[in-house]
Amino acid sequence: SQQGEEDPQALSIQEGENATMNCSYKTSINNLQWYRQNSGRGLVHLILIRSNEREKHSGRLRVTLDTSKKSSSLLITASRAADTASYFCATGPLDRGSTLGRLYFGRGTQLTVWP
Amino acid sequence: GAVVSQHPSRVICKSGTSVKIECRSLDFQATTMFWYRQFPKQSLMLMATSNEGSKATYEQGVEKDKFLINHASLTLSTLTVTSAHPEDSSFYICSARAGLADEQYFGPGTRLTVT
Repeated sequence: SQQGEEDPQALSIQEGENATMNCSYKTSINNLQWYRQNSGRGLVHLILIRSNEREKHSGRLRVTLDTSKKSSSLLITASRAADTASYFCATGPLDRGSTLGRLYFGRGTQLTVWP
Repeated sequence: GAVVSQHPSRVICKSGTSVKIECRSLDFQATTMFWYRQFPKQSLMLMATSNEGSKATYEQGVEKDKFLINHASLTLSTLTVTSAHPEDSSFYICSARAGLADEQYFGPGTRLTVT
């Protein structure tokens, strides 16, 4: 399977705490992306990191990528109740000479932030 | 910007009938659209990649005769579930890619229930 695996499957924290989610994958990638999904809704793109990048920041989000370990982490700092959602990592495979842009999603981490 | 809509948001149909789901990019031209299905509390499974004006590329294990995809214009792709059965009940989500960008913009999803 080309899908990634998130860890943990569920995470419950208090407002103000940091939340860390991890993602592991198996194949060579062009990029790795993190998305957020509120219950029963579509996905919202959070951040993209390319295979030649090691760390990226966007607001309260920090993403790291270790291609040697085929893993990535998403850190949400100073979490808020509104951050409660499912978070998915998605890998963009390295397609030789192809620009298909496919994404393969992991199972997700359900984050609950308590006020 | 980068808004993707889906219609309908919910549909209930009887076993044996066909259902068409529309995916539209509202403010950009989508050279490529993707169709996913998602079971409750599970990941998104990529079903097919659709390029405007050409045949869709289906993922392994997805029946192309059952899930008909048409991408007739740069802003519209349709998924038709033919001869639907209860096991086809799922959350179907489309996404669109602008040009060769790696990010995908997701529609809000369509909840299909086959009785």
